[in-house]
Amino acid sequence: EAGVTQSPRYAVLQEGQAVSFWCDPISGHDTLYWYQQPRDQGPQLLVYFRDEAVIDNSQLPSDRFSAVRPKGTNSTLKIQSAKQGDTATYLCASSLGDTQYFGPGTRLLVL
Amino acid sequence: QQKVQQSPESLSVPEGGMASLNCTSSDRNFQYFWWYRQHSGEGPKALMSIFSDGDKKEGRFTAHLNKASLHVSLHIRDSQPSDSALYFCAASGRDSSGSWQLIFGSGTQLTVMP
Repeated sequence: EAGVTQSPRYAVLQEGQAVSFWCDPISGHDTLYWYQQPRDQGPQLLVYFRDEAVIDNSQLPSDRFSAVRPKGTNSTLKIQSAKQGDTATYLCASSLGDTQYFGPGTRLLVL
Repeated sequence: QQKVQQSPESLSVPEGGMASLNCTSSDRNFQYFWWYRQHSGEGPKALMSIFSDGDKKEGRFTAHLNKASLHVSLHIRDSQPSDSALYFCAASGRDSSGSWQLIFGSGTQLTVMP
């Protein structure tokens, strides 16, 4: 069974540029999570979906970050105008029950 | 203050030795705990979960939970160089929609020296 896949694996931007991250969850998993993991810290939840519905986006910096999961399968996380403080690894995870399975992440560096 | 606190920040043990990692939660809404392991360049991978008081053993890994104090520990016996990784404790609970949430600690970097 294929795991959670993410792309791109790496991204380097100048401040003010936009970037999108893509996630393909494990087939059949109804819940999809996006986390931000700063260097040497634990993952911090940004937003999660049950099927296509947003369950909680309270930790998403809404003025610059957005996330969608239009058909309840793949998902896209977008940063409109990146800041140096956004430098981190962005992790996607999916689940059907209580176990969350993580993808390899996208490492973002904002210069 | 962070809801899930881990200690130590880093730990070195010799190959074949015992590694002991600690975690305390301050949120009684999250009483189900996970240990995740993250190797460099990869995403976290679930090792084991525990939600009952006492010990739970899976191979070389033993988790211990004290629900009264919300303290959980992970003990790795016969540590191997391949166990070198960042270990996260995560407190888990269900929200009103029935979905599970995880709150991660800041991690313990384990190095097993050959």
